[in-house]
Amino acid sequence: IAGITQAPTSQILAAGRRMTLRCTQDMRHNAMYWYRQDLGLGLRLIHYSNTAGTTGKGEVPDGYSVSRANTDDFPLTLASAVPSQTSVYFCASSPTDRGVNVLTFGAGSRLTVL
Amino acid sequence: QKEVEQDPGPLSVPEGAIVSLNCTYSNSAFQYFMWYRQYSRKGPELLMYTYSSGNKEDGRFTAQVDKSSKYISLFIRDSQPSDSATYLCAMSPVYNAGNMLTFGGGTRLMVKP
Repeated sequence: IAGITQAPTSQILAAGRRMTLRCTQDMRHNAMYWYRQDLGLGLRLIHYSNTAGTTGKGEVPDGYSVSRANTDDFPLTLASAVPSQTSVYFCASSPTDRGVNVLTFGAGSRLTVL
Repeated sequence: QKEVEQDPGPLSVPEGAIVSLNCTYSNSAFQYFMWYRQYSRKGPELLMYTYSSGNKEDGRFTAQVDKSSKYISLFIRDSQPSDSATYLCAMSPVYNAGNMLTFGGGTRLMVKP
């Protein structure tokens, strides 16, 4: 089934630990995104990539890093997790040839930092 | 003030009711207007999108855009318990690299049997 696969689905992490959230898509979309979703704050863009080899900062990039070595994979790394990074993280992708930014989302990774 | 405002709800309606979900926005550059549905513990999924002003219908769902008032709506006819979810509006200018979607905070809808 075409779509986005995120892993892990949930994780409890001690503060200060390093964590990588994985995201893989099989739709050959050029653009990929990482959002976090928090109650009362909605979806906030962390980082994005318009094409393989390029990345950009979103609204809340501090404490996170990404890489885009190929079209399909877009991992998000928390170098040293802090409790404020407790959230649900969504990876998304979109084609870039339609004049409209229609996103397909993954199922999310629920992260708790203690 | 947020760029896109959406009443968080929850909105509770009986089965069969007509539901109206709304968003207001401030950026006149927005051209594309989208509605996503998000079930509990799932990712958002696109319901429909419209370009510029006007209406678009898809089954029981109708999206309406009034650019002069900077106001968009999603109407759900004959609502079903399976429509219970959070509905997110999102909007963007015409796509080019760097133009991102701006999301509303979502409205939680509960349709009671």
